[in-house]
Amino acid sequence: ETGVTQTPRHLVMGMTNKKSLKCEQHLGHNAMYWYKQSAKKPLELMFVYNFKEQTENNSVPSRFSPECPNSSHLFLHLHTLQPEDSALYLCASSQERGRGLGQPQHFGDGTRLSIL
Amino acid sequence: DQQVKQNSPSLSVQEGRISILNCDYTNSMFDYFLWYKKYPAEGPTFLISISSIKDKNEDGRFTVFLNKSAKHLSLHIVPSQPGDSAVYFCAASEQLIGAGSYQLTFGKGTKLSVIP
Repeated sequence: ETGVTQTPRHLVMGMTNKKSLKCEQHLGHNAMYWYKQSAKKPLELMFVYNFKEQTENNSVPSRFSPECPNSSHLFLHLHTLQPEDSALYLCASSQERGRGLGQPQHFGDGTRLSIL
Repeated sequence: DQQVKQNSPSLSVQEGRISILNCDYTNSMFDYFLWYKKYPAEGPTFLISISSIKDKNEDGRFTVFLNKSAKHLSLHIVPSQPGDSAVYFCAASEQLIGAGSYQLTFGKGTKLSVIP
């Protein structure tokens, strides 16, 4: 139990569907992240939220739309995805403990997304 | 261009021996380094980290060494146990980009197999 819960664990959707991935952290952290892991590629950062404000968007296509209603919840809204978007989507959270001091990001178990 | 490289996709080690996993990076601005362990169907689990002001950090059977001049870090596991069999990811970060959040750049991972 990492304290970061992702639902659903698996999702199969057609290219015209709209779905959402959900992430909830129970660690009291103030930053949340979405990552994508494609086959044979390193984890790629998609979005960063810090105190509910989006601070980074790493050139992610607009068919991916994040939402962070509070510091414990993070969503990734999906719309008209492409087959190449099939991947493992991971959520993470972290907490700062003073400027310059790194704190590890804690990950959920991910959502395995398959686009038909 | 990959900024964090794990050049060995796999490693096999006998139980009880030392496992050494290597990681190289190219970005001299990285100042915080982490190792994660990942089992199939689970998210990455934080293992150990090191700040650039140190050259060694130890936690039980796990030790991380950092050689800044060579831009190289390694993870030593001793003694290795069958339960250590997993994929190990190296990750690196620049200074905190904002209160509470920072970007992690990951390597592709090394699959460790510990043979009983």
